[in-house]
Amino acid sequence: AQSVTQLDSQVPVFEEAPVELRCNYSSSVSVYLFWYVQYPNQGLQLLLKYLSGSTLVKGINGFEAEFNKSQTSFHLRKPSVHISDTAEYFCAVSDKGGSEKLVFGKGTKLTVNP
Amino acid sequence: GAGVSQSPSNKVTEKGKDVELRCDPISGHTALYWYRQSLGQGLEFLIYFQGNSAPDKSGLPSDRFSAERTGGSVSTLTIQRTQQEDSAVYLCASSLRTGDYEQYFGPGTRLTVT
Repeated sequence: AQSVTQLDSQVPVFEEAPVELRCNYSSSVSVYLFWYVQYPNQGLQLLLKYLSGSTLVKGINGFEAEFNKSQTSFHLRKPSVHISDTAEYFCAVSDKGGSEKLVFGKGTKLTVNP
Repeated sequence: GAGVSQSPSNKVTEKGKDVELRCDPISGHTALYWYRQSLGQGLEFLIYFQGNSAPDKSGLPSDRFSAERTGGSVSTLTIQRTQQEDSAVYLCASSLRTGDYEQYFGPGTRLTVT
């Protein structure tokens, strides 16, 4: 069965600092990988996805993630964060060829301080 | 255009009562998903509908949970004989078609069982 581990439940950073949110997955089959963001009192929004091709994926709001098959990782990065990036970030996987249901990690709460 | 909408936004019910939660997907989206977000379990897949195919019900936690999708559009999630552990935010998502791998989430229904 698939599982997703987000190693940090909370990440505090200062504004304009770089950030990396870590995600590792476990699956016996090939997967697609996703990062979603949830702003306070809002629904989930897709930040980026990896389906195939280049392992470096660029998303919205200046975020990017790199798929590393050998390390089964899909870490999310941003070179310079803003106060408005404060939110909860979820990593998710989906089996290739399956029902496309998402298996989510527990989430990482990113807090950007001035 | 309009996004995924869910109603009610909040629902408080007494233990043992039945509840119905509604989801209106984005017009033209053929795939519809239900997830549950709770403090203890994080985000969990519940059920998936794709066109006229049999739904994937593999995530439903018990036979008290059921869902239907009428006319390929609106979906209703029903929880019978609610228990306190059913308290959670129930999220609905839709995607344009199989293979799209881009789910759009609604704002959720917060269910509180007292």
